[in-house]
Amino acid sequence: DAGVIQSPRHEVTEMGQEVTLRCKPISGHNSLFWYRQTMMRGLELLIYFNNNVPIDDSGMPEDRFSAKMPNASFSTLKIQPSEPRDSAVYFCASSRSGDKYFGPGTRLTVT
Amino acid sequence: TQLLEQSPQFLSIQEGENLTVYCNSSSVFSSLQWYRQEPGEGPVLLVTVVTGGEVKKLKRLTFQFGDARKDSSLHITAAQPGDTGLYLCAGLLTGTASKLTFGTGTRLQVTL
Repeated sequence: DAGVIQSPRHEVTEMGQEVTLRCKPISGHNSLFWYRQTMMRGLELLIYFNNNVPIDDSGMPEDRFSAKMPNASFSTLKIQPSEPRDSAVYFCASSRSGDKYFGPGTRLTVT
Repeated sequence: TQLLEQSPQFLSIQEGENLTVYCNSSSVFSSLQWYRQEPGEGPVLLVTVVTGGEVKKLKRLTFQFGDARKDSSLHITAAQPGDTGLYLCAGLLTGTASKLTFGTGTRLQVTL
């Protein structure tokens, strides 16, 4: 199994630009999670989907952040416009029976 | 304030030593998980404990869930350099479905 796939692995962008992070969950998993990890705040849940439907987006910091899951094998997290404080590692995770499998993350730097 | 506090935050020990990492909260969790994260990678699930007082062993790692399901510990016997990494506890609050809350993390370094 390929595991959770995230792209890009690294993203450097200027403040104000739109950023799109991508995730392909493990085949057969019906839940997908987006997390953000920083030194200051640790690992925080942003949003999660069950069967492609957003269930809880209370962790999404602002309206600048949006997430979609158009089908069972693909999800995006978009930041528009990006700000320097959005710099972090963004992880996608998927699960079927409760055990979460994390992707390798996307390291985002906003200058 | 963090819902799940881990201690210590940092730990540097020599190969062969024993160590314990603690994960504490004032909240009750329906289950608690431990993850290990290596640089440049995502967290990897080590264990899930669901019953108060439960003890699980994974080779040299021993995990315990507190009787009141508010705390947990991870004990490593005879640490090896391969144990180096960031250890994270994560709890599922009762009634929150899949919404895991992660602890503050313990960064462990094991040297030769």
